[in-house]
Amino acid sequence: AQSVTQLGSHVSVSEGALVLLRCNYSSSVPPYLFWYVQYPNQGLQLLLKYTSAATLVKGINGFEAEFKKSETSFHLTKPSAHMSDAAEYFCAVGRGGADGLTFGKGTHLIIQP
Amino acid sequence: NAGVTQTPKFQVLKTGQSMTLQCAQDMNHEYMSWYRQDPGMGLRLIHYSVGAGITDQGEVPNGYNVSRSTTEDFPLRLLSAAPSQTSVYFCASRQSSNQPQHFGDGTRLSIL
Repeated sequence: AQSVTQLGSHVSVSEGALVLLRCNYSSSVPPYLFWYVQYPNQGLQLLLKYTSAATLVKGINGFEAEFKKSETSFHLTKPSAHMSDAAEYFCAVGRGGADGLTFGKGTHLIIQP
Repeated sequence: NAGVTQTPKFQVLKTGQSMTLQCAQDMNHEYMSWYRQDPGMGLRLIHYSVGAGITDQGEVPNGYNVSRSTTEDFPLRLLSAAPSQTSVYFCASRQSSNQPQHFGDGTRLSIL
């Protein structure tokens, strides 16, 4: 079985500040980990993925995430928040099986001007 | 390249009605999935398919049927709509089991 926990349903940061969105996972096998972003009334777009290569993964729009096996974490960061980053962010884990991904409940990122 | 196309984008149904949500992808992906998204619940897997003629149940399959007669299409059927099925439905496809999923724009379904 696999599961994902995203800490904080809402995170608010000031424009220009560091963005940190937390994700912890559990998986019985080496996981594949993903971060997706969802803008209002749209589908999910892939930000970045971890598939057992480098532990620090760089994605689109300046986001990156670090896989820490000892902490079972895959936190998403961005050094400087922009107003356009306001969206819902989902962490997801897969085990390389035929079924789909298991998603966290999402974190709504609010950017304060 | 259209990617994953879902139709309709919006639909209102009455309790007990049936309907089919359409999903088509033009990337020749074998793996396709249906999710529902509810506030505070994230996305939950309804059904998935690993190729034409092969489907299986996900986390929340009750009240839904699927079929996969071609690689491109993966329709989701609501047999007898219930208010609890009011949700946003997303179809996704991927090239292989460890690759990221590509999502459609969703179908917003309201059951009265």
